[in-house]
Amino acid sequence: DGGITQSPKYLFRKEGQNVTLSCEQNLNHDAMYWYRQDPGQGLRLIYYSQIVNDFQKGDIAEGYSVSREKKESFPLTVTSAQKNPTAFYLCASTLDSAKAIYFGEGSWLTVV
Amino acid sequence: RKEVEQDPGPFNVPEGATVAFNCTYSNSASQSFFWYRQDCRKEPKLLMSVYSSGNEDGRFTAQLNRASQYISLLIRDSKLSDSATYLCVVNSGGTGGFKTIFGAGTRLFVKA
Repeated sequence: DGGITQSPKYLFRKEGQNVTLSCEQNLNHDAMYWYRQDPGQGLRLIYYSQIVNDFQKGDIAEGYSVSREKKESFPLTVTSAQKNPTAFYLCASTLDSAKAIYFGEGSWLTVV
Repeated sequence: RKEVEQDPGPFNVPEGATVAFNCTYSNSASQSFFWYRQDCRKEPKLLMSVYSSGNEDGRFTAQLNRASQYISLLIRDSKLSDSATYLCVVNSGGTGGFKTIFGAGTRLFVKA
């Protein structure tokens, strides 16, 4: 089936550790996104990429890093510099600006 | 002013009621418009696209008013299962690529 796969679904991180969230899509979409959502809040854009080997910071990029080496993959690393990383992380993709954006099922990150 | 603004919630309605959500956007060059539904602790899912001519999908009707820069969603004969957060989404193109802007969402509670 075509879609966006995020893994892991649940992740626990100790303070000071870096963790990487995986996002893979087989929709042949050019653009991919990472959003963060805190409880009861809206989506906030972390990073986005519109073509391979290029990406831009979103509204809350500090403490995060990404890569886009392949069209289908857009992993997000939550670094130790991110002071409050506990949140729901959503990866999304779209074909172009005229089309809807589609989401993976999300990854829950908890700092312990 | 936020780029995309939605009605503040929550909306509490009885089953069978008709409820309307509005959303305004600030970029007059915005190109495409969507409504998403997000259930608690789940990813947002596309509910419907919004076209200038208006469009209907069963109990749901979406409309776009480019002159006044707002979009609307009407839900008729509300069901308990309609309880969710409804997100307005606007895509805008530009020289640096396109942007997808999410509204903060409006929560709907449908009660028996």
